[in-house]
Amino acid sequence: EVQLLESGGGLVQPGGSLRLSCAASGFTFSSSAMSWVRQAPGKGLEWVSGLSASGGLTYYADSMEGRFTISRDNSKSTLYLQVNSLRAEDTAIYYCAKDAFRSDGSTRPPFEYWGLGTLVSVSS
Amino acid sequence: DTVMTQTPLSLSVTPGQPASISCKSSQSLLLGNGKTYLHWYVQKPGQSPQLLIYEVYNRFSGVPDRFSGSGSGTDFTLEISRVEADDVGVYYCMQGFHLRTFGQGTKVEIK
Repeated sequence: EVQLLESGGGLVQPGGSLRLSCAASGFTFSSSAMSWVRQAPGKGLEWVSGLSASGGLTYYADSMEGRFTISRDNSKSTLYLQVNSLRAEDTAIYYCAKDAFRSDGSTRPPFEYWGLGTLVSVSS
Repeated sequence: DTVMTQTPLSLSVTPGQPASISCKSSQSLLLGNGKTYLHWYVQKPGQSPQLLIYEVYNRFSGVPDRFSGSGSGTDFTLEISRVEADDVGVYYCMQGFHLRTFGQGTKVEIK
């Protein structure tokens, strides 16, 4: 059974930093691209960032580039998202999801599996 | 950036009746390999999103055949042939042609 378990969320002051983690199991993590998607309270889904299976290619939504850094440790089957200079508008549930980029040669659909999410709240 | 526009933003449907959601992209999602990178997801109340349909019309594993997708280029439609109570949720289209962009979401409720 595929499982994605996010952690690392919490309450942080504006300007602070967080590192989110996503522990994966039930599939070959090292062969799978991954992404982060967020959802502000009462709002829709917003893709944040993605990473190729090898970790060699990173992708960011235009509005996210600069403060967000995605990475992975295939030896630990874990995906990370470092977020710096946090703002109130970054308050959201952050989901990790199994992705599939054409650059990896994948023919799978994106976001076949999602985690339960971790809540990030930015407030003073 | 590719902009995804869904209509309507909310839908109230009598059980057993059909429902239809439109999704338009600001650029063609058809790649030279013949595939069109438009996908549909649903987020049921209190749950994480889940994949419904990929590449316009392919139902994901376990998705009932009441759900169908159609369209081409920039115009796409998700149809539910006979809405059931379990179909309540917010439906999102997403383009995977260039990175990823979601539509605003369409909230489906039962009358």
